Amino acid sequence: DSGVTQTPKHLITATGQRVTLRCSPRSGDLSVYWYQQSLDQGLQFLIQYYNGEERAKGNILERFSAQQFPDLHSELNLSSLELGDSALYFCASSELAGFYNEQFFGPGTRLTVL
Amino acid sequence: LAKTTQPISMDSYEGQEVNITCSHNNIATNDYITWYQQFPSQGPRFIIQGYKTKVTNEVASLFIPADRKSSTLSLPRVSLSDTAVYYCLVGPHAGNNRKLIWGLGTSLAVNP
Repeated sequence: DSGVTQTPKHLITATGQRVTLRCSPRSGDLSVYWYQQSLDQGLQFLIQYYNGEERAKGNILERFSAQQFPDLHSELNLSSLELGDSALYFCASSELAGFYNEQFFGPGTRLTVL
Repeated sequence: LAKTTQPISMDSYEGQEVNITCSHNNIATNDYITWYQQFPSQGPRFIIQGYKTKVTNEVASLFIPADRKSSTLSLPRVSLSDTAVYYCLVGPHAGNNRKLIWGLGTSLAVNP
């Protein structure tokens, strides 16, 4: 158990809909990362927040947005969903802001868009 | 950008030592080398990190030659449960100026 929690575990929705994924980092970790992993693909870094502020952006689509709240939990919002958005979405946290410090990953949310 | 290259897949047998090499020819002075392990449908898990020479923990060893242009993750006496994807990342502890790219990793299959 990494100490990072993600909800929901599974999500099934239809094209055009909007969903929100939630992540609670490990206690004491200020940095939160979001990743997308499609079938047979590597991890795609989406976005990072550090202590409530956006720190770095990766391949995040304009239809996607995220935020980190004062209690450090984070939410990833996915809107106008398309079939291709079906994937595993991971949240990770780390104590420091640098990418290459140890990241602790949550169990993921499996999103299926029908 | 310190691009990394590692084999797409490897096969081994239980009880053998497995060495996975990662090439990073343009590694920067302040870059560290980090390895993660990922099982299907789970998030990656940190295995080991090093800067130079050799690092060992209870799970693996990491060998880094003097020029640091490559590194080798060594898994002693693998078991079926070591079947996973292994990712090599190279970058600095501080600063996120470069893109964070994980790549496809090395898919290790351990056979009985």
